[in-house]
Amino acid sequence: AQSVTQPDIHITVSEGASLELRCNYSYGATPYLFWYVQSPGQGLQLLLKYFSGDTLVQGIKGFEAEFKRSQSSFNLRKPSVHWSDAAEYFCAVGAGFNKFYFGSGTKLNVKP
Amino acid sequence: DGGITQSPKYLFRKEGQNVTLSCEQNLNHDAMYWYRQDPGQGLRLIYYSQIVNDFQKGDIAEGYSVSREKKESFPLTVTSAQKNPTAFYLCASSGNRNSPLHFGNGTRLTVT
Repeated sequence: AQSVTQPDIHITVSEGASLELRCNYSYGATPYLFWYVQSPGQGLQLLLKYFSGDTLVQGIKGFEAEFKRSQSSFNLRKPSVHWSDAAEYFCAVGAGFNKFYFGSGTKLNVKP
Repeated sequence: DGGITQSPKYLFRKEGQNVTLSCEQNLNHDAMYWYRQDPGQGLRLIYYSQIVNDFQKGDIAEGYSVSREKKESFPLTVTSAQKNPTAFYLCASSGNRNSPLHFGNGTRLTVT
C-alpha cells in the first residue's frame, strides 16, 4: 500500500542554521513527489516537485530536495533558515491518475 | 490571477444542521478534491472528482456529499450525519495526470 512517513512531528532550528526535513515513501512504481508548506490558517503552497530526471530538485524560497530511490526518501533541505520559514511542511506522493498521499506533516519552529 | 477560492473562511453552525462549503477554481483543471485537516493527522481525502458530473468517495466520505455540475465548482455539504464536523476543510484541483495539487485557503468549520 502507498504511504508517506514524516518521522519528525516538530523540529526547532535556530535562524541561520541549516534544515533537513525527512520524508520516506512506500510506492511500487516510480513516484511523483512533492513538498508543500502551510502557514497557520492557510492552504498548502507547493515548494517543489520531482517527476523524473535530476534527483536534486530546486524549489521556491531557497528550498531543495533530493530523491534517493534506494532509500525511498525525498528529504527537504535549506542551507540557512529564516524566521519566515516557520510553518508546517507536508511531503506527498502522486500515485496513479490524480491520486495523492500525504505525510502527517512536520512543524518547523525557528529560534531567533 | 488563476486560483481556487473557498468561501467562507470561517463558518459556524449548530449541531444537526447541514452546511455547504463553496469551492470555485478558474485554473481550467479537470480534477477537484476535498480534504479534511485535523491537528496532527495531516490531510484526509473526503471526495474527489476527475470530471464534470462524476465524483468518487475518498477515505472519509461518510457524512459528506458533493456535486460537480460545473467544471469550475465543487461544493461540499457537511451533513448532520457527520459525527465530528469541526475541522479545517481544504479544496484542491489538479490538471494533467500527477500534476501538483493547487489548494484554496481553506474553510474552518465550527459546529457547536
